[in-house]
Amino acid sequence: SYVLTQPPSVSVAPGQTARITCGGNNIGSKSVHWYQQKPGQAPVLVVYDDSDRPSGIPERFSGSNSGNTATLTISRVEAGDEADYYCQVWDSSSDPVVFGGGTKLTVL
Amino acid sequence: QITLKESGPTLVKPTQTLTLTCTFSGFSLSTSGVGVGWIRQPPGKALEWLALIYWDDDKRYSPSLKSRLTITKDTSKNQVVLTMTNMDPVDTATYYCAHILSTAMGADAFDIWGQGTMVTVSS
Repeated sequence: SYVLTQPPSVSVAPGQTARITCGGNNIGSKSVHWYQQKPGQAPVLVVYDDSDRPSGIPERFSGSNSGNTATLTISRVEAGDEADYYCQVWDSSSDPVVFGGGTKLTVL
Repeated sequence: QITLKESGPTLVKPTQTLTLTCTFSGFSLSTSGVGVGWIRQPPGKALEWLALIYWDDDKRYSPSLKSRLTITKDTSKNQVVLTMTNMDPVDTATYYCAHILSTAMGADAFDIWGQGTMVTVSS
């Protein structure tokens, strides 16, 4: 089955830019979705189809996808962005939904 | 406004069957293109997809758990039910149901999630 690889942790100072990667074989050919999960809460979709944002998600959240790496970029990071972030792809096979292992974003 | 809420037992014994119900509002599972999924998360671990069901009764299961899972829908009650057989302590997790967003790229995402329900498997 398809495997998505995320770094376990990313740290960034407030006001800086955080980049969280999601690696997969030729992931650029797939659509990637990103979720934010704060402690004790359900995940929230923050980016879908590589770079689209659901309504209510700040423009600070953006995404890109090319080759073997998709990236979630959070600009002007705030303390409230501290959370776990998961990437997900839809693979039209017998295992259609795949999640990455998650990345913990720490705001220093 | 779309909402979903999971319900079911908080504690099950090993080898028992778990039955979870997702009760939703704000959409109908009889509407073309609509779907609901189940995802779980063991304590301190990553999200794991379990199953999906669509308006036309199309069902998908995680290959690693397929033999133990059954997903059904009751359109009249606005409910989706997930059963998992032969429960084991490793199945201890928070179980979420979520509304499926069928995106423009044809890649389903989970745009609205329930609050989750914690299930512990222990004798």
